[in-house]
Amino acid sequence: EVQLVESGGGLIQPGGSLGLSCAASGFTVRSNHMSWVRQAPGKGLEWVSVIYTGGGTFYADSVRGRFTISRDNSKNTLSLQMNSLRPEDSAVYYCAREGDCAYGSCYSLESWGQGTLVTVSS
Amino acid sequence: IVLTQSPGTLSLSPGERATLSCRARHSVSSRYIAWYQQKPGQAPRLIIYGASSRATGIPDRFSGSGSGTDFTLTISRLEPEDFAVYYCQQHGSSPLFTFGPGTKVDIK
Repeated sequence: EVQLVESGGGLIQPGGSLGLSCAASGFTVRSNHMSWVRQAPGKGLEWVSVIYTGGGTFYADSVRGRFTISRDNSKNTLSLQMNSLRPEDSAVYYCAREGDCAYGSCYSLESWGQGTLVTVSS
Repeated sequence: IVLTQSPGTLSLSPGERATLSCRARHSVSSRYIAWYQQKPGQAPRLIIYGASSRATGIPDRFSGSGSGTDFTLTISRLEPEDFAVYYCQQHGSSPLFTFGPGTKVDIK
């Protein structure tokens, strides 16, 4: 069974740093495109970042230069290092697995974790 | 990339048909369109990918259709567990995934 479990959220002051982690089971993180998606309280979904199977990374304009996505193949985990945090970064952060093109479900996010809440406030 | 969804809220009774609309600013390949369901306090769940293919475990009362700039999610007969917020999504280049603002389907 595919499972994603995020951790690392919490309350952080503006300008601070926080690292999120996503533990995967039931599949191999390095074999899938993996994204972070966030949702501010009461708001919609916003894609944040992706790490491709080949290791390349890509970011939303709103976080580029401040956030870094990475993975640990030995631990089968995905991470998001967030620096220079702003109040507008407050949100539930979800890790998500992109679907497999072999099954036709690529270009969509077919598995999601339960999310971890980040609150940026003084 | 901009996606709009209508209506913002859809008030229906169990057993009724729900029709949700998603419109893209520019024509997009249907392979890049997906729909998600989100209930309060839960993560989104993939319902439809490739505009019309149901994800694993999704009942056949859910169907997706459309092409070009206009896409539709239809729930043929609403069950109590279907009342939720539904988001459409487009896969692109920058940003990689864009989501619509959502349609809330609530109980009339």
